[in-house]
Amino acid sequence: DAGVIQSPRHEVTEMGQEVTLRCKPISGHNSLFWYRQTMMRGLELLIYFNNNVPIDDSGMPEDRFSAKMPNASFSTLKIQPSEPRDSAVYFCASSLAVGYGYTFGSGTRLTVV
Amino acid sequence: RKEVEQDPGPFNVPEGATVAFNCTYSNSASQSFFWYRQDCRKEPKLLMSVYSSGNEDGRFTAQLNRASQYISLLIRDSKLSDSATYLCVVPISGGYNKLIFGAGTRLAVHP
Repeated sequence: DAGVIQSPRHEVTEMGQEVTLRCKPISGHNSLFWYRQTMMRGLELLIYFNNNVPIDDSGMPEDRFSAKMPNASFSTLKIQPSEPRDSAVYFCASSLAVGYGYTFGSGTRLTVV
Repeated sequence: RKEVEQDPGPFNVPEGATVAFNCTYSNSASQSFFWYRQDCRKEPKLLMSVYSSGNEDGRFTAQLNRASQYISLLIRDSKLSDSATYLCVVPISGGYNKLIFGAGTRLAVHP
């Protein structure tokens, strides 16, 4: 099992540019989660999907953030336009079902300059 | 009361020591709990699940006290490699598999 796969591992971009983060969950997992982690705010849940359907996006900071899950094996988190305060590590996680915990990807370290 | 509260630490202990972390939660309907470990600049990784009164795995023991709404993690015979941040994780009732992560407790084990 390859685990949760995220790409890219690192992204450096200029303010105002569009950024797309990608995630491939573990096959068979029916829930997918996007988190952001910073030193100041810790681990924040941005949005999560159940069976490819967005369930709760209340953690998405503002309209500049959007997420999609077109099928069970792929999800994207897009930031447009990016700002320096978006700099953080973005994690994707997937889960088999209620009670099983989450498996996290290695994260994407985003730096917006 | 916050949904999940942990002492941020750091806990600085010598090798071989026993250390315990506590975590309190506010959602009394929670059924399954977890402890995750996160190393610096790495992703959180599942350490232990706690479904009933407790769970033991080698040097690690997790206990659940539903009446007082706290879970604990006990590490015996600490190793240098145990140095990490330990995250307490609590489910939110209402289905859809939503977990709330605590801010974490930092542990530093020194020689």
